Amino acid sequence: DIQMTQSPSSLSASVGDRVTITCRASQDMSNYIAWYQQKPGKVLKLLIYAASTSQSGVPSRFSGSGSGTDFTLTISSLQPEDVATYYCQNYNSAFIMWTFGQGTKVEIK
Amino acid sequence: EVQLLESGGGLVQPGGSLRLSCAASGFTFSSYGMNWVRQAPGKGLEWVSVISSSGGSTYYADSVKGRFSISRDNSKNTLYLQMNSLRAEDTAVYYCAKPFRWNYFDSWGQGTLVTVSS
Repeated sequence: DIQMTQSPSSLSASVGDRVTITCRASQDMSNYIAWYQQKPGKVLKLLIYAASTSQSGVPSRFSGSGSGTDFTLTISSLQPEDVATYYCQNYNSAFIMWTFGQGTKVEIK
Repeated sequence: EVQLLESGGGLVQPGGSLRLSCAASGFTFSSYGMNWVRQAPGKGLEWVSVISSSGGSTYYADSVKGRFSISRDNSKNTLYLQMNSLRAEDTAVYYCAKPFRWNYFDSWGQGTLVTVSS
């Protein structure tokens, strides 16, 4: 099975800080990576797909990058409404299965 | 607006069965494969199963293979998950999720909680 290792598991940063979350895959994923935001009591939200393409309506402070096995989600200027848990996700076409990272909980310092 | 509304969760004893439903609206349900994803309390997300748009193809995570069965009724715009031989480790919130370009999920329901306990 493909493993998705996400880090850090949690972070605390100040409003306006640049925040970076990484996701490492156990094998080459090309760019089949997405990032999701989960807020308490809210529906999961797709932020980024194909590693670096922003979903419609997502604030421009969210960006994704990477290819192969190493991927990054960046929040360029952290806002209070960004408090959430973020997950990376990949799709394995050879086995028809989807795998998520363990999640990164983002809090305001 | 896409809406996905799960139902059917509850408390069930180990070894028991439960059927979840997901009522879909706001898109052409019969044109999309559909997924179930679960989240154990305080844990991350785990993909469970997918069904093709026609219902002719289904795939499962190893953790549920042989115990869970996904199905759909395109005339009712409804997705189902039949869960048998339930175990404590199946305790989770179960979400239905609409795919985006097959690889990703662009719409999610609020989820329904399944608790397996004696």
